[in-house]
Order: sequence, then structure tokens, then C-alpha cells
Amino acid sequence: RKEVEQDPGPFNVPEGATVAFNCTYSNSASQSFFWYRQDCRKEPKLLMSVYSSGNEDGRFTAQLNRASQYISLLIRDSKLSDSATYLCVVTESKSTFGDGTTLTVKP
Amino acid sequence: NAGVTQTPKFRVLKTGQSMTLLCAQDMNHEYMYWYRQDPGMGLRLIHYSVGEGTTAKGEVPDGYNVSRLKKQNFLLGLESAAPSQTSVYFCASKDGNQPQHFGDGTRLSIL
Repeated sequence: RKEVEQDPGPFNVPEGATVAFNCTYSNSASQSFFWYRQDCRKEPKLLMSVYSSGNEDGRFTAQLNRASQYISLLIRDSKLSDSATYLCVVTESKSTFGDGTTLTVKP
Repeated sequence: NAGVTQTPKFRVLKTGQSMTLLCAQDMNHEYMYWYRQDPGMGLRLIHYSVGEGTTAKGEVPDGYNVSRLKKQNFLLGLESAAPSQTSVYFCASKDGNQPQHFGDGTRLSIL
């Protein structure tokens, strides 16, 4: 079993839709959690950190459930420019990346 | 502020040739990482370093060597390149439990 698991998708949604991604992790000692965005053939870029209390950044909301060991990312009012692969990252002494979930937002 | 800089950005090698990829960071980060990413796949950790003078193996270390002689630099070496090492290589750095910062990547083709 992988340390960090994501549904690879792809998720194909129309503009304006709300879409949610989940990510599960196996190491209960994990301390820090992040969502990254990766565009085709580009480097991953930090989208947002994930805090226990949940946090929001514009149309993006991240949540952490330590008891069930998963993190989630909610994107509201999807834009064409949101099309990308979204990677979850779990950090204990080292960082472990999920393989990513691909999102395509269509007109 | 350059962040994480990788050189070269592109390279084509013949099977059996050797080369070194350079990663430089100007953020005084302790941790540095080398990943490879094949088409349609996730990142796979090759080697990493938790500080100057230290290195450790990641998920796919075979065929690669690394050195961290200076805190700001992390070198990835291919001693005898093989076609299976054709990939995009990303370097990243971070401090503590902070998020990783990535370089632009090196696109390596081995013929």
C-alpha cells in the first residue's frame, strides 16, 4: 500500500462546477500537509498548506481529518485555468507526494 | 531571489555517457531532494539530503549518485546513462516542516 494515495481521476467538469479531491495517508505521525498544483511538463507549485482547523484561499478550501487520516481539497466555481494535476503532500521526517489527481475544466 | 535553480534545462546523452545535474538554492534550506518524473506518472524520489555533507537513498536510487558538499548545492550524477533514465528531473529544497520549493526541471533524453 502506498504511503499517500490519491484518486488519479481524471476529473472532467464544466466551468463553474464544484469539485473535491481526497487524499489518504498511512503514517499517523505525519505533521504537515500541503496541496500542490502541477501543470503539464512544469514543476509542482505550492497551492496551499492544510491546517487542522481547515483553511480557505479564495475558491479553494483544504481540510484535514487526522482521525481518518485524509486531507481534501475543494474547488468552487471551477475555471478553465484550474485544469492541472493536483498533488497532495504529507510530511513527517520526509515529504511524501501522492501521484496526483488530474482535473480538466471544460467550457 | 532565484529560489531553486537547475542546470542544465535540457540535455541529450548517448547510452553509457556520464553527466552531472546541478541544483542550487539560495534560501539557506537544510533539506534538498532529487526526483524523477516519467510521462503520466508521479514524482519518484531518487536521493535526498538533510544537510550539508549528508545524503540518503530515496525510492529509486539505482544508477544515480549524489553529493552535497556545500549547503546550497545538490549534485545528481549519472555514471553510465541508460535509456531507462530518460525523464524529467526535479530538484527541491525546504526547511523543517515547510513546503518544498521546486526548480524548473531538467529534461534528459538518453539515446
